[in-house]
Amino acid sequence: DAGVIQSPRHEVTEMGQEVTLRCKPISGHDYLFWYRQTMMRGLELLIYFNNNVPIDDSGMPEDRFSAKMPNASFSTLKIQPSEPRDSAVYFCASSAKQGGHTGELFFGEGSRLTVL
Amino acid sequence: GNSVTQMEGPVTLSEEAFLTINCTYTATGYPSLFWYVQYPGEGLQLLLKATKADDKGSNKGFEATYRKETTSFHLEKGSVQVSDSAVYFCALSPNTNAGKSTFGDGTTLTVKP
Repeated sequence: DAGVIQSPRHEVTEMGQEVTLRCKPISGHDYLFWYRQTMMRGLELLIYFNNNVPIDDSGMPEDRFSAKMPNASFSTLKIQPSEPRDSAVYFCASSAKQGGHTGELFFGEGSRLTVL
Repeated sequence: GNSVTQMEGPVTLSEEAFLTINCTYTATGYPSLFWYVQYPGEGLQLLLKATKADDKGSNKGFEATYRKETTSFHLEKGSVQVSDSAVYFCALSPNTNAGKSTFGDGTTLTVKP
C-alpha cells in the first residue's frame, strides 16, 4: 500500500517566487494535515482538512500561504511570494477517524524548502 | 485545550542503557495516545499507541502505558541501540470526529556505542 506521497522532496527557490507543494494522501483517509518543521519552532500544524473541506487554518502564518484540497486524493500548499523565513521542511499527513480508526497520523517524507 | 508536555532533551545514552522519556498530557475525555519517531531526514512514523486507560503499547522493544490517573504515557526501552538515535514525539488524538492531534515538542535521543 502506498503511503502519503509528497512532491517535490527538495525545492530551492529565490525570494519572491511562488512555491507549490503537493500531497497525495492514503486512499480512504478523510483527514489531511499540513505541518511545518523548523529547528527554531519545531513541528507546527498549518491547516487541516476533513473530507476535502478546510476545518482549521489558524496555523497558516499569513496571507502568503494558501492550501487547497480539490478532491480526496490531492492537496496543495502554496506560498506566494516566498521569503527566506519560509525555509523549512513541510510535511503532509493523513488519517482516518471513521470506522473505529484511532486517528494515528501517516506522514509523508516531507518537502524541504530553501528560499534564498 | 489539549496539551502534551515532554521531557526536554537532548538525551544522550550509551548503548544498552535504559531509556525513559516522560510524557504527560491534558485533554478532555479519553484521547488516544501515541509515540512517533523521526529518524534523520525522514518523516514521523508511528512507534506505538494506546487507545484506552491501562493499555500498553509496544513495538521494537519500546513500551508505554496509558495512565489516566497520572495523565502520563512515558516511553521506555530496556536496552537502547545506536539505531534508536532519533527524535521522539508524544502525541494525543481526541476521540471525536472533529479531533486533531496535539504533539509534544519532541525529544532528541542520541545513543553512543
